[in-house]
Amino acid sequence: NAGVTQTPKFQVLKTGQSMTLQCAQDMNHEYMSWYRQDPGMGLRLIHYSVGAGITDQGEVPNGYNVSRSTTEDFPLRLLSAAPSQTSVYFCASSPDRSFYYEQYFGPGTRLTVT
Amino acid sequence: AQSVTQLDSHVSVSEGTPVLLRCNYSSSYSPSLFWYVQHPNKGLQLLLKYTSAATLVKGINGFEAEFKKSETSFHLTKPSAHMSDAAEYFCVVSDRDSGTYKYIFGTGTRLKVLA
Repeated sequence: NAGVTQTPKFQVLKTGQSMTLQCAQDMNHEYMSWYRQDPGMGLRLIHYSVGAGITDQGEVPNGYNVSRSTTEDFPLRLLSAAPSQTSVYFCASSPDRSFYYEQYFGPGTRLTVT
Repeated sequence: AQSVTQLDSHVSVSEGTPVLLRCNYSSSYSPSLFWYVQHPNKGLQLLLKYTSAATLVKGINGFEAEFKKSETSFHLTKPSAHMSDAAEYFCVVSDRDSGTYKYIFGTGTRLKVLA
């Protein structure tokens, strides 16, 4: 199993550009989520999905869109990048939404918006 | 509402001495609690978890944590620090809030191990 994979590892965008961060898992997990990590703030939830076709907003959803057409994939779209979106982004998955089981994290995407 | 407080943002220990990373939580129900480790420029890796079984939980790399409901604490310990333990550690609480499960991260403790 590859686990949770994310691409790209690094990205630099100019303000106003759009892009998609890719996330895939091969563990047949129902629950998938996107977090951003900023210094001194831990990880904050952007969007999550409890299954194919079902998504919902987390703590900091503004400026981001998600969709989940398959169990495996959960891309995160930045609609019009802003410097405030400079961060490290982590995708995670879990067998179900109860978190009785832990979340499994991808290696992260480091995004810089200039 | 749930919350997690990691009481120290930075901890420094000498190699071979004990490690204590402190975590307090707030929860309305019966939480699950986790500790994750993040090495520089890496993703998060699970160290250990508590899910209402034994209150003393053993994890990987010699770490353990004790769930103390009366103190609402879940402190992470290791008897003897190794240089490879230098990393950032996150305490996480998972619980139900208004019918929705939430996974709340602490702000992290950066562990430095001195030779």
